[in-house]
Amino acid sequence: QKEVEQNSGPLSVPEGAIASLNCTYSDRVSQSFFWYRQYSGKSPELIMSIYSNGDKEDGRFTAQLNKASQYVSLLIRDSQPSDSATYLCAVNKLNFGNEKLTFGTGTRLTIIP
Amino acid sequence: DAGVIQSPRHEVTEMGQEVTLRCKPISGHDYLFWYRQTMMRGLELLIYFNNNVPIDDSGMPEDRFSAKMPNASFSTLKIQPSEPRDSAVYFCASSPQGQGGEKLFFGSGTQLSVL
Repeated sequence: QKEVEQNSGPLSVPEGAIASLNCTYSDRVSQSFFWYRQYSGKSPELIMSIYSNGDKEDGRFTAQLNKASQYVSLLIRDSQPSDSATYLCAVNKLNFGNEKLTFGTGTRLTIIP
Repeated sequence: DAGVIQSPRHEVTEMGQEVTLRCKPISGHDYLFWYRQTMMRGLELLIYFNNNVPIDDSGMPEDRFSAKMPNASFSTLKIQPSEPRDSAVYFCASSPQGQGGEKLFFGSGTQLSVL
């Protein structure tokens, strides 16, 4: 079982609709959770972080965390063509006293005009 | 600040050749990370340094890979000899506060192709 799992997609969403991206993780001791956006040929950039159960909203983005079920999701409201990218879920935990950040393989999102 | 700077942007080499990738972290960042990204395995941590000292190299695939950080502003990742399966995008990243947290910044990456 992979430590962090994402559906690779592609996920196609009409412009203006809500895009829903999901991620599950295997280690219950994971402490913090991140979503990175990566445009084709570019480097990952952090768009959301979440540390406690529930929802966290930032503009059109909402991150949701459920530690009991070991999943984290990202909702993008009013999707725009500029949201077309690969979204990487990353999970952080302490590993023998050092932090370890593990990335999923990413979900490719395409917003259809 | 110019951000994390990597060179070269693209490298094409033949199997068996030595490859050296370079990275300049953001000034003041004590942590430096080398990642490799492939379609199959995603973004994997190879090694990271804290204050120029290697902390965790468990992700380095084999002895053909080595990394150094001679000073706070420069690091290299070397592959010798290179093999076609090393073809990937290699990212360098830096942070002032470890792997976690919200201040992990990536360089533009080096696209490596080993023929």
